[in-house]
Amino acid sequence: AQSVAQPEDQVNVAEGNPLTVKCTYSVSGNPYLFWYVQYPNRGLQFLLKYITGDNLVKGSYGFEAEFNKSQTSFHLKKPSALVSDSALYFCAVSAYSGGGADGLTFGKGTHLIIQP
Amino acid sequence: EPEVTQTPSHQVTQMGQEVILRCVPISNHLYFYWYRQILGQKVEFLVSFYNNEISEKSEIFDDQFSVERPDGSNFTLKIRSTKLEDSAMYFCASSRTINTGELFFGEGSRLTVL
Repeated sequence: AQSVAQPEDQVNVAEGNPLTVKCTYSVSGNPYLFWYVQYPNRGLQFLLKYITGDNLVKGSYGFEAEFNKSQTSFHLKKPSALVSDSALYFCAVSAYSGGGADGLTFGKGTHLIIQP
Repeated sequence: EPEVTQTPSHQVTQMGQEVILRCVPISNHLYFYWYRQILGQKVEFLVSFYNNEISEKSEIFDDQFSVERPDGSNFTLKIRSTKLEDSAMYFCASSRTINTGELFFGEGSRLTVL
């Protein structure tokens, strides 16, 4: 069974400072890793993904994430936070089984609050 | 920009009633999903659907749940006899390819079971 852990319920960052939202995963085989963002009363929006290749992946809105196989982590980062980045962030994992469309397993989410 | 649309946005129903939640996926997408999010909890996978049949389903997706793509555009989730614990936000999603994870989500249908 695959699982995702987001150890922080909430992360507070001052505007302009770098931010990190943590994620660790557990999966059999090679992981596919994703970050999604949810704004209030909206559906989840795709931010970025790691499938293979470079460990540092870049996504929407200036976000990036680093895949670390030895630490089984996929932390979300941004060099300079904006107030508009305040939202709920979900890390997710999938493992290709060679068959059907496997569902994503989501973490419980981390509230990111950027203070002006 | 194409988007996934869901109706209704909010439905209130009595325990034991049948509920149908509707979704219109993005038109050139081939894979369809339902997820749910109980208030304050994580987003949970329910079911995936491809080529007019269920590809995978979770333990949550028991005999009370069914999915259908009745007319080539809509993708529905039916709950036959709702329970209090079915109260949640239900998200439909679609994707163009398999396992790449770039799912496009609708804004959700909030189901309240009384």
